Amino acid sequence: DIQLTQSPSFLSASVGDRVTITCRASQAISSYLAWYQQKPGKAPKLLLYAASTLQSGVPSRFSGSGSGTEFTLTFTSLQPEDFATYYCQQLYISPYTFGQGTKLEIK
Amino acid sequence: EVQLLESGGVLVQPGGSLRLSCAASGFTFSSYAMNWVRQAPGKGLEWVSGISGSGGSTYYADSVKGRFTISRDNSKNTLYLQMNSLRGEDTAVYYCAKDHPSSYYDSRDFYHYCGVDVWGQGTTVTVSS
Repeated sequence: DIQLTQSPSFLSASVGDRVTITCRASQAISSYLAWYQQKPGKAPKLLLYAASTLQSGVPSRFSGSGSGTEFTLTFTSLQPEDFATYYCQQLYISPYTFGQGTKLEIK
Repeated sequence: EVQLLESGGVLVQPGGSLRLSCAASGFTFSSYAMNWVRQAPGKGLEWVSGISGSGGSTYYADSVKGRFTISRDNSKNTLYLQMNSLRGEDTAVYYCAKDHPSSYYDSRDFYHYCGVDVWGQGTTVTVSS
């Protein structure tokens, strides 16, 4: 199975900060990667797929990049509603594994 | 409006069985692959199982293979997860999730997967004596 490792696991930042989260895959997955946001007690929400394609309705301050084994999720300017946990998911081959998550907290 | 509504989560003893259901509405159910994703208390997301739109292809995580069975009834717009030989580590919120409409199979039968774009609210399964 493909393993995904996110870094960091916890991140403390302030409103307006530019922040980057990394997701590394244990083998090459081309651009078959998605990012999700999850708030406490809620279902996850799709942010990006195909590594860099923004899901409809998601603000443009979210962006994704990467291919092969290394991917990033970048917030150009953090907003209060962005404090949540973020997960990457590889979409290359079943089982479609998730990263362990990155919890983004307010500093 | 696209909606997914899970049901069937309860407290069950180790070794027991349970069937989860997910009622879909607001879209052509048979046209989309579907998934179950779970989240243990205080833990991350774990993809559990997926099924093609026709039901002809099924996929499982190693942790549930041989114990769980995914199925669907397209005439009832309902997805199921039959869970047998339940263990404490199966305790989780189970989400039903719909494949993104941009996902597709190509001529070589490779699935260009774009993730899941709609999630249910989840149903809680607790395995404990």
